[in-house]
Amino acid sequence: EAEVAQSPRYKITEKSQAVAFWCDPISGHATLYWYRQILGQGPELLVQFQDESVVDDSQLPKDRFSAERLKGVDSTLKIQPAELGDSAMYLCASSGGLAGWGSYNEQFFGPGTRLTVL
Amino acid sequence: ILNVEQSPQSLHVQEGDSTNFTCSFPSSNFYALHWYRWETAKSPEALFVMTLNGDEKKKGRISATLNTKEGYSYLYIKGSQPEDSATYLCALGQNFVFGPGTRLSVLP
Repeated sequence: EAEVAQSPRYKITEKSQAVAFWCDPISGHATLYWYRQILGQGPELLVQFQDESVVDDSQLPKDRFSAERLKGVDSTLKIQPAELGDSAMYLCASSGGLAGWGSYNEQFFGPGTRLTVL
Repeated sequence: ILNVEQSPQSLHVQEGDSTNFTCSFPSSNFYALHWYRWETAKSPEALFVMTLNGDEKKKGRISATLNTKEGYSYLYIKGSQPEDSATYLCALGQNFVFGPGTRLSVLP
């Protein structure tokens, strides 16, 4: 069964260091999402890609976060420099639908990367 | 910003008990509602997509209802089992706004 892959599963870093997370969506899925889930809260959308283009990054803290999906397949989310408040679960999801039709298209999630910033 | 609420925040039930929890949302401009189950150390798993007022969906012992006019959806679990222990999330809208989740613990 096709799955969304994410790595690493766990990352511990010190504040001010750079971290990067990788996501490989289900083959053929054009839409890719990065979410951040802080303990006790629901996942919050950070960025949405349609193929290689950013559709929505309104909630992405652009002073320190960046995301890319250069070939429209896998994606990298980077934080530089990391801050204590960035400790969270970072989830990647993909769907086969077009951006803007997301609600009717099931999103398939990866297992997430648990980031701890010390 | 769409405000999605879930209650209760957490729930402990005995094996065999039936239980239910709620997802609440603004009733205007409803688009679609998704229920997900998220077990510890696993990926969130889609349970249901609900789009029409009055929708009822069922998968095994789990079922869900939708009332878009009053802005809520119920998730029911009949005869809870320890493997049902998870966080149950609902998400709404074109931008997939998630609620905070209900954490269910089923005690053997």
